[in-house]
Amino acid sequence: DTGVSQDPRHKITKRGQNVTFRCDPISEHNRLYWYRQTLGQGPEFLTYFQNEAQLEKSRLLSDRFSAERPKGSFSTLEIQRTEQGDSAMYLCASSQAAGWGAKNIQYFGAGTRLSVL
Amino acid sequence: AQTVTQSQPEMSVQEAETVTLSCTYDTSESDYYLFWYKQPPSRQMILVIRQEAYKQQNATENRFSVNFQKAAKSFSLKISDSQLGDAAMYFCAYRGSKSQGNLIFGKGTKLSVKP
Repeated sequence: DTGVSQDPRHKITKRGQNVTFRCDPISEHNRLYWYRQTLGQGPEFLTYFQNEAQLEKSRLLSDRFSAERPKGSFSTLEIQRTEQGDSAMYLCASSQAAGWGAKNIQYFGAGTRLSVL
Repeated sequence: AQTVTQSQPEMSVQEAETVTLSCTYDTSESDYYLFWYKQPPSRQMILVIRQEAYKQQNATENRFSVNFQKAAKSFSLKISDSQLGDAAMYFCAYRGSKSQGNLIFGKGTKLSVKP
């Protein structure tokens, strides 16, 4: 068990470019979450998956954002036509199950820091 | 909508001393979880402690304990015998029974530990 890993750790891009981030959850974790964290703020929920199904999207997830988890394992988050306001830390988390109890604890990756110039 | 408020942007503690971080929340739900997460600089966020709302007994994990006051909607974190490695951002988080699992975080408290 190597924990939740995210790639890349840092991404610098120019406004208008597309970027894609990858998250590898802890193996056997069914749930995968994406959060966004801007400077001086706590993480804000973006979306989550139960296996390969995307079950909820926050209103923060504009139509320029798309997330996938094709085989219920790793997930990608793509931002199209990036804007300076997209600059943030993008965090991925996974949990073993949805219910109450220890299995619902979310384990976080170290995040991908996006800077849009 | 549920909200989580951390009113202390920064706190400082002397090594080996005790410090308390404050958190208040607002909800209309009766069943929920509360969490404290620690985020060291440039490192991943890790769970420090969690509390189930229906449990009256305050959770404890080694040097970390909480003071959960359900009626006051208060959830403070006490760190005893502070160590240099405790220096980090600390986030209070809420998960309601009606949510699909997403956490609602406060803005965080930056804790510094002085040697």
